[in-house]
Amino acid sequence: DTGVSQDPRHKITKRGQNVTFRCDPISEHNRLYWYRQTLGQGPEFLTYFQNEAQLEKSRLLSDRFSAERPKGSFSTLEIQRTEQGDSAMYLCASSGTSGYSYNEQFFGPGTRLTVL
Amino acid sequence: TQLLEQSPQFLSIQEGENLTVYCNSSSVFSSLQWYRQEPGEGPVLLVTVVTGGEVKKLKRLTFQFGDARKDSSLHITAAQPGDTGLYLCAVDQTGANNLFFGTGTRLTVIP
Repeated sequence: DTGVSQDPRHKITKRGQNVTFRCDPISEHNRLYWYRQTLGQGPEFLTYFQNEAQLEKSRLLSDRFSAERPKGSFSTLEIQRTEQGDSAMYLCASSGTSGYSYNEQFFGPGTRLTVL
Repeated sequence: TQLLEQSPQFLSIQEGENLTVYCNSSSVFSSLQWYRQEPGEGPVLLVTVVTGGEVKKLKRLTFQFGDARKDSSLHITAAQPGDTGLYLCAVDQTGANNLFFGTGTRLTVIP
């Protein structure tokens, strides 16, 4: 399978715990995005990487959130001291630049986080 | 005010019926994308429209970009239960590297 993959698919944690999610983008894509989606809403942008550089962060990304993309391949999103309001689907997407005219992003299946 | 307003928010129809959903804005966009998302999965790109007035067809789905590139519609002919899902429109805001999504239309096609 050559699509975007995310791990784990589901995560249940207690308030105050730290969680980390992983995203593996499509191999030839140099752009990687993280979004958050709450019930009844469309995805909301969190952060963007071009290769290993984190170039943009949303105001939604509080200081409890950190994302990395070492070596410009897979990415991790960590949430420290989770709160119940962090419960959401966390989506990863990737896109390429070479030969692409538009920002067509390809999404992974998401990680559903539930904070108890 | 939402940058992208999608309507209707919910739609439930019988198999075989036709339907149209809308994505509207007061802003002009260089391109607009439609995605379908099934429960528990990520959005899947259906189409990108670029030119004002452009019409694209994907089997029973017809996408149109407004002449002024401010709005778009998705028409489904002879809906099937497999069309059930959340239909999202998204735009690439000028100067930004992320997509901005509407709140979606949740479609249920009843067999």
